[in-house]
Amino acid sequence: KAGVTQTPRYLIKTRGQQVTLSCSPISGHRSVSWYQQTPGQGLQFLFEYFSETQRNKGNFPGRFSGRQFSNSRSEMNVSTLELGDSALYLCASSLTSSYGYTFGSGTRLTVV
Amino acid sequence: GQQVMQIPQYQHVQEGEDFTTYCNSSTTLSNIQWYKQRPGGHPVFLIQLVKSGEVKKQKRLTFQFGEAKKNSSLHITATQTTDVGTYFCAGPGTADRGSTLGRLYFGRGTQLTVWP
Repeated sequence: KAGVTQTPRYLIKTRGQQVTLSCSPISGHRSVSWYQQTPGQGLQFLFEYFSETQRNKGNFPGRFSGRQFSNSRSEMNVSTLELGDSALYLCASSLTSSYGYTFGSGTRLTVV
Repeated sequence: GQQVMQIPQYQHVQEGEDFTTYCNSSTTLSNIQWYKQRPGGHPVFLIQLVKSGEVKKQKRLTFQFGEAKKNSSLHITATQTTDVGTYFCAGPGTADRGSTLGRLYFGRGTQLTVWP
């Protein structure tokens, strides 16, 4: 079966711009989470959606937002990009949040 | 807040040697999950342990969940070059600390290097 698909794979943006990242979870998976991975901070939780509802949000500024559609696909948006937002953004899906997550290949965002 | 700590941060071994990484949580966990991330790749789910004292094996990999459900370990016997990568443990948030549904607390990972 198809895995978790994230688009785009790579992205270069300039400071002040905004960006939207997309995630298509495994068919049937209703829980979708987003993580930011950097060498300095490791894997940091951004938010989790279940059946279109954001159930949890990590300690990130309001510039980071997301949503989930009725088909479970999810998007995250970062506005007013800063250099420190450069990272690998990972989406992960699970049947429910009680099971292991399947991660996508990630979107590597570089802010210049 | 809830924390998951992992040691060591780095481990360099010669092929054939054993490897162990340890994970400790500041709170009791309902389950512990282990992931592997190859260089340049993304985390891949390896296993989930749920029961106190549980031990599970996957070929050369042995996973343990502590009796108090606050610690876990991953042991690899006779490492191979294919074992190279970063191994992460992760635990879910606990219900008595507010809404933590769907949130995994990841350790910083142990980066394993294997010399041929």
